[in-house]
Amino acid sequence: EAGVAQSPRYKIIEKRQSVAFWCNPISGHATLYWYQQILGQGPKLLIQFQNNGVVDDSQLPKDRFSAERLKGVDSTLKIQPAKLEDSAVYLCASSFSLARDIQYFGAGTRLSVL
Amino acid sequence: GDSVTQMEGPVTLSEEAFLTINCTYTATGYPSLFWYVQYPGEGLQLLLKATKADDKGSNKGFEATYRKETTSFHLEKGSVQVSDSAVYFCALTSLDTGRRALTFGSGTRLQVQP
Repeated sequence: EAGVAQSPRYKIIEKRQSVAFWCNPISGHATLYWYQQILGQGPKLLIQFQNNGVVDDSQLPKDRFSAERLKGVDSTLKIQPAKLEDSAVYLCASSFSLARDIQYFGAGTRLSVL
Repeated sequence: GDSVTQMEGPVTLSEEAFLTINCTYTATGYPSLFWYVQYPGEGLQLLLKATKADDKGSNKGFEATYRKETTSFHLEKGSVQVSDSAVYFCALTSLDTGRRALTFGSGTRLQVQP
């Protein structure tokens, strides 16, 4: 079974530039999560989708961050414009459904904002 | 809101030593509790879980018991190996929120020396 795929693995941009991250969850998984992991901290939820609908985006800085999951499969997370404090690893995770607790994580995208 | 507190690292042990990583939580209701592990250069992997009080999760020689009276979920292993060197995250999902996103602790780095 293929795992959660994320790309790119690394990205370096300058502040005020835009960047996009892509995630392909495990086949059949309805629930998809984006987490932000700042160095030395645990991951924190940015947004959660159930199929193509948003379940929770209360922690997403909506003035600069956006995410979509148009067909209920792949998802894209965008930052525009980026700030220095956005430097972090962005993790995508998926689970079979809201009722199934186990989340499977991708390897993440490490973003450096200079 | 929900929160997880872990002991700070790094924890440095010799091979075959006994490991304990402390984890306590604050949550409403009866959360599910997890330990995730992050090996160097890899994504987060589920190590073990427990879904109700007094449950014991176990995997790869690691164990943790859900203690509701002390709101704890300490990770233990009787004899660590060099290959156990990684960052360990305690996490929970709160049934009351219905949203199932993980709340993580800040992680504990384990270094096992031969």
